[in-house]
Amino acid sequence: QVQLQESGPGLVKPSQTLSLTCTVSGDSISSGGYYWSWIRQHPGKGLEWIGYLYYGGSTYYNPSLKSRVTISVDTSKNQFSLKLNSVTAADTAVYYCAREGVDCSGASCNNWFDPWGQGTLVTVSS
Amino acid sequence: QSALTQPASVSGSPGQSITISCTGTSSAVGGYNYVSWYQQHPGKAPKLMIYNVSNRPSGVSNRFSGSKSGNTASLTISGLQAEDEADYYCSSYAESNIRVFGGGTKLTVL
Repeated sequence: QVQLQESGPGLVKPSQTLSLTCTVSGDSISSGGYYWSWIRQHPGKGLEWIGYLYYGGSTYYNPSLKSRVTISVDTSKNQFSLKLNSVTAADTAVYYCAREGVDCSGASCNNWFDPWGQGTLVTVSS
Repeated sequence: QSALTQPASVSGSPGQSITISCTGTSSAVGGYNYVSWYQQHPGKAPKLMIYNVSNRPSGVSNRFSGSKSGNTASLTISGLQAEDEADYYCSSYAESNIRVFGGGTKLTVL
């Protein structure tokens, strides 16, 4: 059974860097075949995709966050991480990590996020 | 603003069927890409319910079904139960490698 678990500080000061780690068990990030994603949810709001990492080093970020986001991997620990710099109160949210399956056939692609971590609330406040 | 549009809320009585729509652009949901659906109970992480428009992961009740017509995907829940009360989100693979979510639909079981 694949499980993901987020960890990191629950409180970050404005202008600082938010850093979270997702520990994966039951699957290997380095085995390939899946994308490893971060998704956030502002309080009482919907889901927002942040970006993904694919083993081999490729990453892709939501254009709205691209200038502030870095997703990286530590294969020795089977973990992937999120860094979001220059945070403001608008970055207060529950942050989820998730494994993403992608299946493309020609010009058509299908993706799905499963499983998800339990989520961790990060509050940006002084 | 989400690239996928869902109704803010739907409701139904136990035993009834309800349908949640998800309307996207031609690049998301439309002719090229497909939709997945997620259920989220309060304080919990989202759970995959439907992928590739109409496929159910193992363990998901067959009361949940998905379909698509043009730029609109739909999630239908039949035999509504109290435990189905939750928020539901659609998601799609959009153009330029971007993933998008709908704004979410709150399902109330009356």
